[in-house]
Amino acid sequence: DAKTTQPNSMESNEEEPVHLPCNHSTISGTDYIHWYRQLPSQGPEYVIHGLTSNVNNRMASLAIAEDRKSSTLILHRATLRDAAVYYCILRGGGTSGSRLTFGEGTQLTVNP
Amino acid sequence: DTGVSQDPRHKITKRGQNVTFRCDPISEHNRLYWYRQTLGQGPEFLTYFQNEAQLEKSRLLSDRFSAERPKGSFSTLEIQRTEQGDSAMYLCASSSYGSSGGVETQYFGPGTRLLVL
Repeated sequence: DAKTTQPNSMESNEEEPVHLPCNHSTISGTDYIHWYRQLPSQGPEYVIHGLTSNVNNRMASLAIAEDRKSSTLILHRATLRDAAVYYCILRGGGTSGSRLTFGEGTQLTVNP
Repeated sequence: DTGVSQDPRHKITKRGQNVTFRCDPISEHNRLYWYRQTLGQGPEFLTYFQNEAQLEKSRLLSDRFSAERPKGSFSTLEIQRTEQGDSAMYLCASSSYGSSGGVETQYFGPGTRLLVL
């Protein structure tokens, strides 16, 4: 699996937007970009995924650079419950790909 | 909400003992994964099943580790002759692979935290 690079930690204030970056310069044409997060003492939780176009769901938005070498997870209004480790993961799409290869992720702290 | 469940949630054992963990996936999910997570690290893949077939095993899965999914529903992960280095969180995830042609999403359980003394 291609490698991703994320900052170790980021901080935000409650109710402000948060932009979590991820670099993946060796991404292949068929790799999807997945984001999972892990709240304290819980298993990881799916957040969002995308291939080329920007994506929105009820949890977050995913902005993908035109060359696909980087992406940004956007939390539009951070809450205290968004404090977690966020993982950016590349994975083959369609019928390929099985395991998720997690890095160390970004620890997001949300200040009240 | 019948998400992925794992039992026990915590296990303390002495070095050399055998332990067994159980994972119950989301109903009708055909894939089941096991991961291990140590403090400060992201989860690491151990093995996965599609129905009852074990399709891939990581090099991390030594001979002391064995996983089964006998009827394609729940799964067990056994560690024999535990060592202190086995202390970790063991996570299970399930997914529905191939059902809609979309990208597979894994749903994780809360994990079993193992401490080997």
